[in-house]
Amino acid sequence: DAGVIQSPRHEVTEMGQEVTLRCKPISGHDYLFWYRQTMMRGLELLIYFNNNVPIDDSGMPEDRFSAKMPNASFSTLKIQPSEPRDSAVYFCASSDGRSLYGYTFGSGTRLTVV
Amino acid sequence: QQQVKQSPQSLIVQKGGISIINCAYENTAFDYFPWYQQFPGKGPALLIAIRPDVSEKKEGRFTISFNKSAKQFSLHIMDSQPGDSATYFCAADRGGTSYGKLTFGQGTILTVHP
Repeated sequence: DAGVIQSPRHEVTEMGQEVTLRCKPISGHDYLFWYRQTMMRGLELLIYFNNNVPIDDSGMPEDRFSAKMPNASFSTLKIQPSEPRDSAVYFCASSDGRSLYGYTFGSGTRLTVV
Repeated sequence: QQQVKQSPQSLIVQKGGISIINCAYENTAFDYFPWYQQFPGKGPALLIAIRPDVSEKKEGRFTISFNKSAKQFSLHIMDSQPGDSATYFCAADRGGTSYGKLTFGQGTILTVHP
């Protein structure tokens, strides 16, 4: 299995632009999570899906952030408009919801908003 | 009550020594305690995990010790190697309808000197 695949690996954008991050979970995993990692706040859960349905979006910082999961093999996290304080590494993770070792992270997207 | 407190923030160990990282939690509903290892530029990788029905779990050089009454758990790395130099995160989660909402500790930067 190729693991959790995220794209792009790096994204540099100007303030005010729309940014879309993409994630392909591990096949068969029915949970998908979006995290943000910064030096100041560590790893924060933004939102997670179960069977493509958003379950908890209480970690989404504000309305500029939105996430979708149109099918079991694809999810997007969109920021519109982007701001410099959104600069962080965004991770996608997926899980089978059952096994002790089934929770797997992708390699992340490093977002820089200038 | 959702916090997981991790210490120390950084740790320097000589090759062959034992590295010990500690975590404490408040929420007694937590029932899944994984440890993640993260190298620079990579996503967190699941290292070892435990559920509260056991007090210790060992996998190779890595051992989790779990003290349910004290609400503490720790990671021990025996015979530490320079390749173990990374950031380590403890995490906790509760099952049921909140499965997968991992709460992470702030991380420990481990440096193993040759």
